[in-house]
Amino acid sequence: DTGVSQDPRHKITKRGQNVTFRCDPISEHNRLYWYRQTLGQGPEFLTYFQNEAQLEKSRLLSDRFSAERPKGSFSTLEIQRTEQGDSAMYLCASSFGASFQETQYFGPGTRLLVL
Amino acid sequence: SQKIEQNSEALNIQEGKTATLTCNYTNYSPAYLQWYRQDPGRGPVFLLLIRENEKEKRKERLKVTFDTTLKQSLFHITASQPADSATYLCAPSSNSGYALNFGKGTSLLVTP
Repeated sequence: DTGVSQDPRHKITKRGQNVTFRCDPISEHNRLYWYRQTLGQGPEFLTYFQNEAQLEKSRLLSDRFSAERPKGSFSTLEIQRTEQGDSAMYLCASSFGASFQETQYFGPGTRLLVL
Repeated sequence: SQKIEQNSEALNIQEGKTATLTCNYTNYSPAYLQWYRQDPGRGPVFLLLIRENEKEKRKERLKVTFDTTLKQSLFHITASQPADSATYLCAPSSNSGYALNFGKGTSLLVTP
């Protein structure tokens, strides 16, 4: 295992369709994060899991977004009824430890384009 | 509201010179600050973390300073190389949550 992986790397969809992204964190990492990044901006936090528990959600995570981490390993992020404003890079990161000051390791991202 | 500001303009420097990138923050008191590098189409990669009680930290050609009075961190790359060309993101963070709040990033271009 060499790092965080995300699938797919690119997704083009039509407005109104549902999409699901997958993230596989580094195997021993207990924390998993989802971020969204639009052009010219830094990544914005969406949600965070510790093991299988979703402990924090940003107000950016509207009702159309849902994330799961069923067994505390991989995670999925689903967007229902996509809108053009959902077009962005969706980044997953993972970390391990007990303190706040942990390095987060990012995956390559899934680039979503909503037509 | 909390605000993180990085050099809005891209930074162009000549190979061999020192690049200095700025990160200013307002309306909060981070316990630590991280710097990440991001290449086009890829996820950020961690570079350095500096704590509030540390004034300076170094790693190879990289140096970070953290001035909690000025609410500013400076990120230096000495003897810069074209391979250092990328966007650099700062993330000042408190000890009250795990989410990282990033600045917009500064684009660095090092020309031969």
